[in-house]
Amino acid sequence: QLQLQESGPGLVKPSETLSLTCTVSGGSISSSSYYWGWIRQPPGKGLEWIGSIYYSGSTYYNPSLKSRVTISVDTSKNQFSLKLSSVTAADTAVYYCASKGYYPRDAFDIWGQGTMVTVSS
Amino acid sequence: EIVLTQSPGTLSLSPGERATLSCRASQSVSSSYLAWYQQKPGQAPRLLIYGASSRATGIPDRFSGSGSGTDFTLTISRLEPEDFAVYYCQQYGSSPLTFGPGTKVDIK
Repeated sequence: QLQLQESGPGLVKPSETLSLTCTVSGGSISSSSYYWGWIRQPPGKGLEWIGSIYYSGSTYYNPSLKSRVTISVDTSKNQFSLKLSSVTAADTAVYYCASKGYYPRDAFDIWGQGTMVTVSS
Repeated sequence: EIVLTQSPGTLSLSPGERATLSCRASQSVSSSYLAWYQQKPGQAPRLLIYGASSRATGIPDRFSGSGSGTDFTLTISRLEPEDFAVYYCQQYGSSPLTFGPGTKVDIK
């Protein structure tokens, strides 16, 4: 059974880069069967898709964040990561990693528990 | 970008009642790539429905999805105590993937 776990600093200073990692267990990050994604949720608010990556390295980003986002895969560690640069208080949120099946009809069916990131000096 | 609108914002019902949640898209959702998620406080979202009408693995059959184009519905036939939560719709037919603002189902 595929499981995902986010990790990274819970506090980031304004203008710095937020870096999170999602560790995949119960399956291979290199599998052609999955897409991997990041979604965030500001406190008390709704969900926002940040971006997704396929094992091949193909990436898809939300245009609203594209200039600041990098998602990458580390096959040696069975992890994928999120980097968000030049953060502000508006980037304070719970960040989730998630996976979806390869087929276009598949939706995000496996989610990590989420990690809270606060942007503050 | 496809904007999703969910109604009502809050639905107050009693256990055993039927819940009908609406999700309307600003433009047609490609191939009915519309999903519904349930989220409880402090938890990650859980996938209920994908492809507008297919139940995800392990989801009880009291949950059903319908609709196409711009209008979609999630129906909970008989509310169980564990169903009181926030429900989000999501379209994943075109980029950027977008979520609706959510409908909170609370106990009357």
